[in-house]
Amino acid sequence: GEDVEQSLFLSVREGDSSVINCTYTDSSSTYLYWYKQEPGAGLQLLTYIFSNMDMKQDQRLTVLLNKKDKHLSLRIADTQTGDSAIYFCAESISNNDMRFGAGTRLTVKP
Amino acid sequence: GAVVSQHPSRVICKSGTSVKIECRSLDFQATTMFWYRQFPKQSLMLMATSNEGSKATYEQGVEKDKFLINHASLTLSTLTVTSAHPEDSSFYICSAKGNRGTDTQYFGPGTRLTVL
Repeated sequence: GEDVEQSLFLSVREGDSSVINCTYTDSSSTYLYWYKQEPGAGLQLLTYIFSNMDMKQDQRLTVLLNKKDKHLSLRIADTQTGDSAIYFCAESISNNDMRFGAGTRLTVKP
Repeated sequence: GAVVSQHPSRVICKSGTSVKIECRSLDFQATTMFWYRQFPKQSLMLMATSNEGSKATYEQGVEKDKFLINHASLTLSTLTVTSAHPEDSSFYICSAKGNRGTDTQYFGPGTRLTVL
């Protein structure tokens, strides 16, 4: 099937790095996204990476893309309690249609 | 488990017509459903939140008379775009939250609306 898969939960200690992983199946994906969703709020686009890139860094966020394995990861350095949220990865397929993973709930413990 | 479907996946309509999009939770009861609109490479915009059996709560700037939302059962919510215009062309995504005591939302695959 054509699914975007993520693990559902991740727990880290404040100050550690968090790595959230995602696998996708559509090799024609053009963009891959990470969204953050805080309780009661809509999804916030964190970052995206074009499919011909293998890495993108934006302040504390690092996105790695392994296109061969169809594996995407989001690393958050120096994780803070405010980073606690649900993180969705998504792939953009044809005509900007998107397919989302189920979301990874990140819990940051003090 | 936790599958959410949307129908149709794509729709093309003429300006001035109305379009209904269905969102169904297939294997769980969705006490709350959300409707999002997504623009290319931008955040999903939450349009409204609906709870089964009650009126939807619309986000600021979303016209409730234009985007009619009905959440008649625990497994079905509908979004009707009334008198559609080309600027309504977008990707609409629903999500559903169950009654399992978590905040996890399960997203539908989305509906691409094109208004000619």
